[in-house]
Amino acid sequence: QVQLVESGGGVVQPGRSLRLSCAASGFTFNNYGIHWVRQAPGKGLEWVAMVSYDGDNKYYADSVKGRFTISRDNSKNTLYLQMNNLRPEDTAVYYCAKDPTVTTSFWYFDLWGRGTLVTVSS
Amino acid sequence: DIVMTQSPDSLAVSLGERATLNCKSSQSVLYASNNKNYLAWYQQKPGQPPKLLIYWASTRESGVPDRFSGGGSGTDFTLTISSLQAEDAAVYYCQQYYSSPITFGQGTRLEIK
Repeated sequence: QVQLVESGGGVVQPGRSLRLSCAASGFTFNNYGIHWVRQAPGKGLEWVAMVSYDGDNKYYADSVKGRFTISRDNSKNTLYLQMNNLRPEDTAVYYCAKDPTVTTSFWYFDLWGRGTLVTVSS
Repeated sequence: DIVMTQSPDSLAVSLGERATLNCKSSQSVLYASNNKNYLAWYQQKPGQPPKLLIYWASTRESGVPDRFSGGGSGTDFTLTISSLQAEDAAVYYCQQYYSSPITFGQGTRLEIK
């Protein structure tokens, strides 16, 4: 069925790195832009990063720019988020979420994964 | 950045009654060239990811019950649930996708009275 499944979360010390993955199935992955959106415990939603359908264009929130890198492997139907120099304020559930339209990105989300929890703590 | 402010923070409504949730953007999200409001609404239940309800401010996502409707233009928007059902208890978020970074409101918690 059509789904996104995140993995790679866990507990990590401040300053360390972690890589998240998001496996897509049930749709033509390389037709859609994909985003990471996070939600701190008990808090609201914060957009983190976006990669275009072909991987050529990447965008980041100021809060993660220079520390996080979004990428995708269309041959594996998988999205990644490399997170370096993690901070306690990065603690959140990280969701991957899909653009609704083919190739053209409108930056709202018609499909979400269930999320993976990242906890940054010493 | 465009700041999205939702009101109220929480709301308790009786079953079968109407619920109205508000969302205000710090600047217009109406794109003049296509006359579309770049505004979406999501529903989030505990332990679940958000679910898209409304996009372009008033277009209902496929499969969303017609008791959900979106309205407004420019900077002021509403999500209306015409006859509240028990399963509608959730947190609702508005989101602007007019400009980067996209931003969400802080959420409105809707409870059943």
